[in-house]
Amino acid sequence: GEDVEQSLFLSVREGDSSVINCTYTDSSSTYLYWYKQEPGAGLQLLTYIFSNMDMKQDQRLTVLLNKKDKHLSLRIADTQTGDSAIYFCAEFGNYGQNFVFGPGTRLSVLP
Amino acid sequence: GAVVSQHPSRVICKSGTSVKIECRSLDFQATTMFWYRQFPKQSLMLMATSNEGSKATYEQGVEKDKFLINHASLTLSTLTVTSAHPEDSSFYICSARDRVSSYNSPLHFGNGTRLTVT
Repeated sequence: GEDVEQSLFLSVREGDSSVINCTYTDSSSTYLYWYKQEPGAGLQLLTYIFSNMDMKQDQRLTVLLNKKDKHLSLRIADTQTGDSAIYFCAEFGNYGQNFVFGPGTRLSVLP
Repeated sequence: GAVVSQHPSRVICKSGTSVKIECRSLDFQATTMFWYRQFPKQSLMLMATSNEGSKATYEQGVEKDKFLINHASLTLSTLTVTSAHPEDSSFYICSARDRVSSYNSPLHFGNGTRLTVT
């Protein structure tokens, strides 16, 4: 079956870059996604990358995909206190034809 | 665009009563909506897939008689927690996919409903 793994916690200082890592198992995934969840709220789509891309940049966000190692990362440049949230990595698993979410990485931004 | 509205955002009910949660796609039509449950500090657990005009598909271990899903139109799905008990207290989130999008296009999420059963 499909599985998505993430480290559970990350702390960075304001102004530094944050890198959140994710590994997945379904090699047939066509899209991989990053969602952000603020306390008490639903999930907000941040960005997604198609599997034939290595990198995608959108303002402060950079997504890197290593398809060989099934590794996805999200880099947030100039991290701000408003970036404190839980970040979920997700893949669309062709095996189960469903979205599979990682456990989420809780990002804490220290002043 | 692609806004999903979920109501109520928070509800407290007594044990034994039923609670209905609504999920609406405001600016798009959704043939498929998904209902998730999230326990504190945990990831999302898919409960069921709601298909417009047909029966919902429940994940293994989810009681269909306990969690009634109705997807009567292309913009509305409802989840009714019947005879709620304290162990049903959780954060419930719905998501939807635009009917004109492909099956693996991004999901759009509601803001969730915090259910507390006393």
